[in-house]
Amino acid sequence: DTGVSQNPRHKITKRGQNVTFRCDPISEHNRLYWYRQTLGQGPEFLTYFQNEAQLEKSRLLSDRFSAERPKGSFSTLEIQRTEQGDSAMYLCASSLRVANTEAFFGQGTRLTVV
Amino acid sequence: DAKTTQPTSMDCAEGRAANLPCNHSTISGNEYVYWYRQIHSQGPQYIIHGLKNNETNEMASLIITEDRKSSTLILPHATLRDTAVYYCIVRVMSGSEKLVFGKGTKLTVNP
Repeated sequence: DTGVSQNPRHKITKRGQNVTFRCDPISEHNRLYWYRQTLGQGPEFLTYFQNEAQLEKSRLLSDRFSAERPKGSFSTLEIQRTEQGDSAMYLCASSLRVANTEAFFGQGTRLTVV
Repeated sequence: DAKTTQPTSMDCAEGRAANLPCNHSTISGNEYVYWYRQIHSQGPQYIIHGLKNNETNEMASLIITEDRKSSTLILPHATLRDTAVYYCIVRVMSGSEKLVFGKGTKLTVNP
């Protein structure tokens, strides 16, 4: 299967610790997105990469959050000094840089901060 | 903020058509209507999208009103596996083309 892959699927961490998630997009996709989803809500946009360039960031992305896509392939999302409010599902999506094409989502990483 | 309004929940009998409405009265001329669904604990799955013409694929049909202020997603023969949250999204076709999700409609297909 060559879909979007996210690791780990689940992460439990203590408040104040740093965590890092990885997303491997579909291989030829040059657009990559990160979203966050809390219980009962739809996914919320966090940030967007076109190849290795981070071109858009939501105001939801506080300075404790950083995302990278160093070679325009996989991406990482790091959260420093985690807080209980960071508990959520973190979703990655990728698409081609072609207008009006669908984005494909991974299964997500569920973060629980205790 | 999401630019769409959907009912919070709907029920449908297995084997019957499920018709999911969406209002998007402020849609602009170059914005597309996209539908995704999310089955519990999975990532959202693309279903269908359209601009102004009706569209059909192997999963569903999309009916868009002539004034483009509303649309209906039709699952012609709902199965238990179609139980999910369905999101109607008006997609900005510039820049990142990010998806702005609302809360969606929880569709429950009953046996």
